Amino acid sequence: DSGVTQTPKHLITATGQRVTLRCSPRSGDLSVYWYQQSLDQGLQFLIQYYNGEERAKGNILERFSAQQFPDLHSELNLSSLELGDSALYFCASSPEGLGGAITGELFFGEGSRLTVL
Amino acid sequence: GESVGLHLPTLSVQEGDNSIINCAYSNSASDYFIWYKQESGKGPQFIIDIRSNMDKRQGQRVTVLLNKTVKHLSLQIAATQPGDSAVYFCAELVTGGFKTIFGAGTRLFVKA
Repeated sequence: DSGVTQTPKHLITATGQRVTLRCSPRSGDLSVYWYQQSLDQGLQFLIQYYNGEERAKGNILERFSAQQFPDLHSELNLSSLELGDSALYFCASSPEGLGGAITGELFFGEGSRLTVL
Repeated sequence: GESVGLHLPTLSVQEGDNSIINCAYSNSASDYFIWYKQESGKGPQFIIDIRSNMDKRQGQRVTVLLNKTVKHLSLQIAATQPGDSAVYFCAELVTGGFKTIFGAGTRLFVKA
């Protein structure tokens, strides 16, 4: 158990809908990272938050947004869903160095599997 | 781009044999590298890491080799076991940076 909690584990929805994925980082970790993994593909970095602030952005679509709350949990919002958004969405957290810089490994949750029909 | 969107290459080995998984990284400034293992239905998990001031690092049954000249990493698994069947990702980062970039991944099948 990595200590990172993601909900829901599975989600099935229709095109055009909006969903919210939730992540609680490990106790003490201030950073949260979101990754997308499509079927049999690699991990695509979406976005990182550190202590409530956006720190780094990857290939995140404009239809997607995220935030990190004062209690450090994070939510990834996916809207106007398309079939191609079907994927595993992973959240990770890590202990950080100064200013939220990465110092080592990421601890991943078990992912939220999104299916868009 | 950040992570290559390709279908996963596959390596199939016999139980008990050694496995070698290769990875080419992209950023010459990357100075810290990590191998992750992802089992079916789970998130990636740390296996071993190496910093750029080293060429080789050994763990329990695993060894990582780093060739900075050609920007190449390899993961060697000794006496491969069925429990090693998984997808393996290399990851690179710049110390002090904010992003971990993952390679495309390799699926390892271990035949009993």
